[in-house]
Amino acid sequence: GENVEQHPSTLSVQEGDSAVIKCTYSDSASNYFPWYKQELGKRPQLIIDIRSNVGEKKDQRIAVTLNKTAKHFSLHITETQPEDSAVYFCAASLSGSARQLTFGSGTQLTVLP
Amino acid sequence: EAQVTQNPRYLITVTGKKLTVTCSQNMNHEYMSWYRQDPGLGLRQIYYSMNVEVTDKGDVPEGYKVSRKEKRNFPLILESPSPNQTSLYFCASSFLRTGVGGEQFFGPGTRLTVL
Repeated sequence: GENVEQHPSTLSVQEGDSAVIKCTYSDSASNYFPWYKQELGKRPQLIIDIRSNVGEKKDQRIAVTLNKTAKHFSLHITETQPEDSAVYFCAASLSGSARQLTFGSGTQLTVLP
Repeated sequence: EAQVTQNPRYLITVTGKKLTVTCSQNMNHEYMSWYRQDPGLGLRQIYYSMNVEVTDKGDVPEGYKVSRKEKRNFPLILESPSPNQTSLYFCASSFLRTGVGGEQFFGPGTRLTVL
């Protein structure tokens, strides 16, 4: 089955700096890649996603890039703010949708004021 | 309000005592799923369901059962809980369709401790 590896496990950045989290996946047939943000004590919530027919997608300060050849995708957060502090999970799916997601192990992002 | 609900939110029990965690969604989603979240391991899928009376194993199904008798409900059953099932459990739901609108919505989580 699919395997998703996520790095780094922890990341600290200064407020205003950029943060990058990287994930690799094993099954080249995976075609849907969402990113979830989980604040302390809360449920995971979708922040951005990308499908395999797109190389990059942006939504204000966050962007996701996908390299199908290398089988990796990355989350980029620019101009980080303290409220960006959370655990971020990447995931991959073979179904083209949010069904049967395989998640990475998570990245604890801390934005230092 | 569109939501996924879980009950109980917190549960402390003892080894071997059967328990059920309920999950309900009001968004008419076909797809429902259970995950467990453990430190350093991310979210791992336990069971999922594509529709009423259709369920299938995820990555870590051992020790769990589910049922899907109604579209809105997807209870998780631990027939004989063991300490290694101590975890944070999330229920989630989504539409089956691909493309825009297929986001998976998570419940608030159930913190289970098995002594």
